[in-house]
Amino acid sequence: DAKTTQPPSMDCAEGRAANLPCNHSTISGNEYVYWYRQIHSQGPQYIIHGLKNNETNEMASLIITEDRKSSTLILPHATLRDTAVYYCIVRVEGGSRLTFGEGTQLTVNP
Amino acid sequence: GAVVSQHPSWVICKSGTSVKIECRSLDFQATTMFWYRQFPKQSLMLMATSNEGSKATYEQGVEKDKFLINHASLTLSTLTVTSAHPEDSSFYICSASRGETQYFGPGTRLLVL
Repeated sequence: DAKTTQPPSMDCAEGRAANLPCNHSTISGNEYVYWYRQIHSQGPQYIIHGLKNNETNEMASLIITEDRKSSTLILPHATLRDTAVYYCIVRVEGGSRLTFGEGTQLTVNP
Repeated sequence: GAVVSQHPSWVICKSGTSVKIECRSLDFQATTMFWYRQFPKQSLMLMATSNEGSKATYEQGVEKDKFLINHASLTLSTLTVTSAHPEDSSFYICSASRGETQYFGPGTRLLVL
């Protein structure tokens, strides 16, 4: 699976959009981009995933660049409860394993 | 949907004893479940992949005789830490696959004294 690069930390004001970047320059055509988050002392929570089209669900939006070498997770109106470590993971279609990197610690400030 | 539970949520045991952790998919069947371990201030590390009705596949460096995994049904996998020692103290997290997506349990915190 391709390696991802994320900033170690980010801050965001409550109520504003949080835009979390992820680089995956070696991604292959059959690899999906997954986003999970882990709130302190809890198991990871699935957020969203995509292949090449932008995706949106009730939690977030995922924007994947046309060359698929990077993506951005958008939390449209961040709340204090969105403070967590966010993991961007690339995984081959049909593959089973998820390889977690260090992720981005997002802190939402009041 | 896609709820995964773990039991217990935390456990304290004496060195040398064995501890069993259960992972259940509550509203879906999971052919494949995974066990991860997370030490403080570190990321999740995959320990093993378990498939219903067959032997688990362990990651390099994980002792299969120490971490016994059983996946007896499509909704239950168990991890038994045998002869636990203080260095086994960690946060153990399971996940279950539904389609292409893995859903995680809340984790079990193990403290070995």
